[in-house]
Amino acid sequence: EAQVTQNPRYLITVTGKKLTVTCSQNMNHEYMSWYRQDPGLGLRQIYYSMNVEVTDKGDVPEGYKVSRKEKRNFPLILESPSPNQTSLYFCASSKSPFYEQYFGPGTRLTVT
Amino acid sequence: KQEVTQIPAALSVPEGENLVLNCSFTDSAIYNLQWFRQDPGKGLTSLLLIQSSQREQTSGRLNASLDKSSGRSTLYIAASQPGDSATYLCAVGFQNGNKLVFGAGTILRVKS
Repeated sequence: EAQVTQNPRYLITVTGKKLTVTCSQNMNHEYMSWYRQDPGLGLRQIYYSMNVEVTDKGDVPEGYKVSRKEKRNFPLILESPSPNQTSLYFCASSKSPFYEQYFGPGTRLTVT
Repeated sequence: KQEVTQIPAALSVPEGENLVLNCSFTDSAIYNLQWFRQDPGKGLTSLLLIQSSQREQTSGRLNASLDKSSGRSTLYIAASQPGDSATYLCAVGFQNGNKLVFGAGTILRVKS
C-alpha cells in the first residue's frame, strides 16, 4: 500500500530537549516536505527536499533542521524545542511539488 | 506575496443541500490547484487536482473549477451527506517557487 508514515504520532517534551520526527514514504517520490499546521493559519511549509541531499527552506524554517540521506526518509529535527513549536506536523511526498501530494497522518507535538 | 484565501471559514448546511466552497489566490501564474479533505485528528486526503491548463475536474459528487485569470477556484459538493463533514483545504502550486501554498481551510458541517 502506498503510504507516508510518521513517528511518533504524539509527543510531549520539555523545552530544550532535542527530538526527531521521522517520515518515510514507499512510493519512490523525489519530492518531500514538512508542514506545520496551527489554528487559523493553515499549513505552512517548514522545509522541502527535491531529491537526496537536496533540501531547502520553506516559509517557517527557524528552529528546525532536516536531512535527506535516503530517498525514502526525510526526518525533521528540533535541536532545542521551544513552546512556540507546539503544533501539528505533517510530512508529504510526491513526484514533484506540482503533482498530487500524499500526506502522512500527522505528529502532534507539545513542548512545555 | 503569494496568498491563498478560503471563504467561508465555516459552513453548516442540512443534509442533501448542494454547496460551494471558495478559494482565491493572488498570482495567476500557477502550475495547479489541489483540494484536500482533513478529518479531525487525521492527515490530508487529496480530493481533486486541477492543472493550470484545465478548467475543472470531477470525482463523484465533487466538482472543482479553476479560473486562473480571476484567481479563483470553487469546490462544488452535490447532495451533501453527514459524512462530508470535515475541513476542506485548497492549495496552490505557484510557478514562482517549488512549493504549495495552502489556504486556512473551510470547516464544513452537514447536519442530518
